[in-house]
Amino acid sequence: NAGVMQNPRHLVRRRGQEARLRCSPMKGHSHVYWYRQLPEEGLKFMVYLQKENIIDESGMPKERFSAEFPKEGPSILRIQQVVRGDSAAYFCASSDGVNYGYTFGSGTRLTVV
Amino acid sequence: KNEVEQSPQNLTAQEGEFITINCSYSVGISALHWLQQHPGGGIVSLFMLSSGKKKHGRLIATINIQEKHSSLHITASHPRDSAVYICASNFGNEKLTFGTGTRLTIIP
Repeated sequence: NAGVMQNPRHLVRRRGQEARLRCSPMKGHSHVYWYRQLPEEGLKFMVYLQKENIIDESGMPKERFSAEFPKEGPSILRIQQVVRGDSAAYFCASSDGVNYGYTFGSGTRLTVV
Repeated sequence: KNEVEQSPQNLTAQEGEFITINCSYSVGISALHWLQQHPGGGIVSLFMLSSGKKKHGRLIATINIQEKHSSLHITASHPRDSAVYICASNFGNEKLTFGTGTRLTIIP
């Protein structure tokens, strides 16, 4: 059981480019959560997805950010036209939705130059 | 408003000392989580609890529902325990609300 897999671990993008972050949940988990950790700040909720559905996106910026969790394949967090303020660690967690147990991935550290 | 507060923000102790990190929350919760994050590293879930006490090795987590308070204790602390410890809560829904973390440094 490989746990929650996030890739890439590190991603460098120039301002204006697109960033795609991937998260494969733990086997048997159909609920995925994305969290962002800005430098020297705490973790903040971004979006909660189940297969093919966005359940709660209240923490996601309205512009440039989108997320999906298709029927097949990993969940994708997409950031268009990145800016320096998007530089952060993005963590994915998954659960089976039965209780409140979560497994976290190792994160993707995005640096915008 | 759903809030989680941790104290202290930073804690430095000598190897072998007993460590306590505190967490308080504003309203009723479904579950309380303690997480560990090493510098530049991923996040590891240590405990999830909704009542009472849990123990795993040298780590103990307790929660007092009436007082809306939880503590994480580390016995016989070791330099490898140096990390950021994060308290997080489910306020009746699936998403987690996080405290700002406690940076623990154990000196040999």
